[in-house]
Amino acid sequence: AQRVTQPEKLLSVFKGAPVELKCNYSYSGSPELFWYVQYSRQRLQLLLRHISRESIKGFTADLNKGETSFHLKKPFAQEEDSAMYYCALSRRGFQKLVFGTGTRLLVSP
Amino acid sequence: DAGVTQSPTHLIKTRGQQVTLRCSPKSGHDTVSWYQQALGQGPQFIFQYYEEEERQRGNFPDRFSGHQFPNYSSELNVNALLLGDSALYLCASSFSGTSYEQYFGPGTRLTVT
Repeated sequence: AQRVTQPEKLLSVFKGAPVELKCNYSYSGSPELFWYVQYSRQRLQLLLRHISRESIKGFTADLNKGETSFHLKKPFAQEEDSAMYYCALSRRGFQKLVFGTGTRLLVSP
Repeated sequence: DAGVTQSPTHLIKTRGQQVTLRCSPKSGHDTVSWYQQALGQGPQFIFQYYEEEERQRGNFPDRFSGHQFPNYSSELNVNALLLGDSALYLCASSFSGTSYEQYFGPGTRLTVT
C-alpha cells in the first residue's frame, strides 16, 4: 500500500534557524516524491519534486531510498516560509497523488 | 489565465441530498483530478479524468461520480450525502503529455448537515 507519513503536525522555529520537515513513505517500487505548500489564504502549490533535484526558495529535499524518506530542509528559515507543507508521492507514469497529513511550519521573528 | 477555477466556493447540503461541484482547468491542461480534504488531513484522491473518461479511481464509493466535458472542464457528483462527506473538495489540472505538476484550484467547501 502507498502511504506517506509526516510525524509532526506543527514545527515552530525562530527566523534564521534551520528547518527540517520530515516525510517517510511506504511504497513498493520507484515512486515520484513531491513537496506541496499552502500559504495562508492561497491554494496548494508544488514546491519541489525529487526528480528535478532543484532548490526552490532555499528548500531542498533528498530522496533516501534506504530509509524511505524525503525530508524537506532549509538552512535559514524566513518568516514568509510559515505555511502548511504536504509531502506526496505518486507512481511513476501516473498522476494520482498520495498525500501525508501535513506539517504546519511557523517561523517566529 | 486565472488558473484552475472551482464553483461554488461554499455549499451547505442536507444528508441524503445530491451535490454537483464544478472545475475549469488551467489553460492548456487536459487532465482533471479530484481530491477530498477532510479537516486536519491531507487531500485524498477521488478520481481522475482524461479524454472524457475516468482514468484512475481512489478508494471512494460509487456515490462519487464525475464527468469531463469536451472543453476539459469537469464535474464531481456526490449522491446520498452523508455527514462524513463534509470536506474541502479540490480540483487539480495537469497536462498529460509532459508534466507531473498538478495545479490546484481553491476548493469547494461542502458542509453536510
